[in-house]
Amino acid sequence: DAGITQSPRHKVTETGTPVTLRCHQTENHRYMYWYRQDPGHGLRLIHYSYGVKDTDKGEVSDGYSVSRSKTEDFLLTLESATSSQTSVYFCAIRRPMNTEAFFGQGTRLTVV
Amino acid sequence: QKEVEQDPGPLSVPEGAIVSLNCTYSNSAFQYFMWYRQYSRKGPELLMYTYSSGNKEDGRFTAQVDKSSKYISLFIRDSQPSDSATYLCAMSGMNRDDKIIFGKGTRLHILP
Repeated sequence: DAGITQSPRHKVTETGTPVTLRCHQTENHRYMYWYRQDPGHGLRLIHYSYGVKDTDKGEVSDGYSVSRSKTEDFLLTLESATSSQTSVYFCAIRRPMNTEAFFGQGTRLTVV
Repeated sequence: QKEVEQDPGPLSVPEGAIVSLNCTYSNSAFQYFMWYRQYSRKGPELLMYTYSSGNKEDGRFTAQVDKSSKYISLFIRDSQPSDSATYLCAMSGMNRDDKIIFGKGTRLHILP
């Protein structure tokens, strides 16, 4: 167990509404990531963070923003949700002595 | 050419068989190689990781890296129905700041 909690686990929202997903870790690691997983595309990196207020874009960042005001929390915001953002979202961390990523259980988001 | 290629399957094998899962890659800078197992509606969990070339064994699982061919494999011996899942390969460079690149995953079914 990597001590990662994602909330909510499931959400249905309407097109055009803002949505925020939360990733909380209990181990205070610097490196945190947001991925989305879609059939045929696998895991794609949305945004990542190397510490408080240190964030950057991944390969599919359009329509998403992130914030990291505390080490333990990494928030992903969809400013105005679209149907193309229907997906399963995973948060991941990397520990200081490891290259591997450890994942949360995911948030299943449906935009209708 | 995509950085990491993985056959999506599905791959169906009878219980007790040896399973071979494979990925190819194009970036010679990759040094760390990982395999994740993902059950339906769950987050990916790290199964094994290896550094550079060679083999690594853990119980019924063996990870193999051939950097000269840019080819990695995961072997599962004495496969069990509980091994039915999606297996994702992943790889990264030496630096922890390097992104982890994932294959799209292979769906595996072990038939009782």
